[in-house]
Amino acid sequence: GAGVSQSPRYKVAKRGQDVALRCDPISGHVSLFWYQQALGQGPEFLTYFQNEAQLDKSGLPSDRFFAERPEGSVSTLKIQRTQQEDSAVYLCASSLVRQGVTQYFGPGTRLTVL
Amino acid sequence: AQTVTQSQPEMSVQEAETVTLSCTYDTSESDYYLFWYKQPPSRQMILVIRQEAYKQQNATENRFSVNFQKAAKSFSLKISDSQLGDAAMYFCAYAGFGNEKLTFGTGTRLTIIP
Repeated sequence: GAGVSQSPRYKVAKRGQDVALRCDPISGHVSLFWYQQALGQGPEFLTYFQNEAQLDKSGLPSDRFFAERPEGSVSTLKIQRTQQEDSAVYLCASSLVRQGVTQYFGPGTRLTVL
Repeated sequence: AQTVTQSQPEMSVQEAETVTLSCTYDTSESDYYLFWYKQPPSRQMILVIRQEAYKQQNATENRFSVNFQKAAKSFSLKISDSQLGDAAMYFCAYAGFGNEKLTFGTGTRLTIIP
């Protein structure tokens, strides 16, 4: 497809379980971003990749959150030992690597931790 | 740190009328980019319009235009001839020069009244 895709669209996890969320960016997009969107809030930045390099992970809320993009395309956001406060929609976005360029968002993964 | 404030949690407008959504931001940078994104109930975030801070001319995209007041750090979105398809959450976002991550406001939910 032409857009950013994410899978799964919905994920329910029991507290303490590990989860992995996948993002397929637009082909050719060098930059990839992860955002967390709590209910009723705006998205908040988690981490940023340029190709396979993770250039900014300042938004990751704890060391339970880990992201990778080993071949500079698909990215995975992993959350270990999930907690209820991790419940949110996780959005992925990709863009060309130019200043102020448009970020194209995926549909998000809604994570519910019970 | 940069902050983005949207003081209108909800707005409504009659179909075919004009509505203005407010956004203010705080930054110490002189070069940056501002965006309005639309998030319909399906959740996929879509760019509506963008503005480069160094450009004095306000951006326009069809029925959407902005009023960018750099000194006042204000960036409002005007939607003319409102249509039912404009109903969505609207987020104002900021990206600093040399820093691609987006900082979002809390959003304004726009309802179109037929």
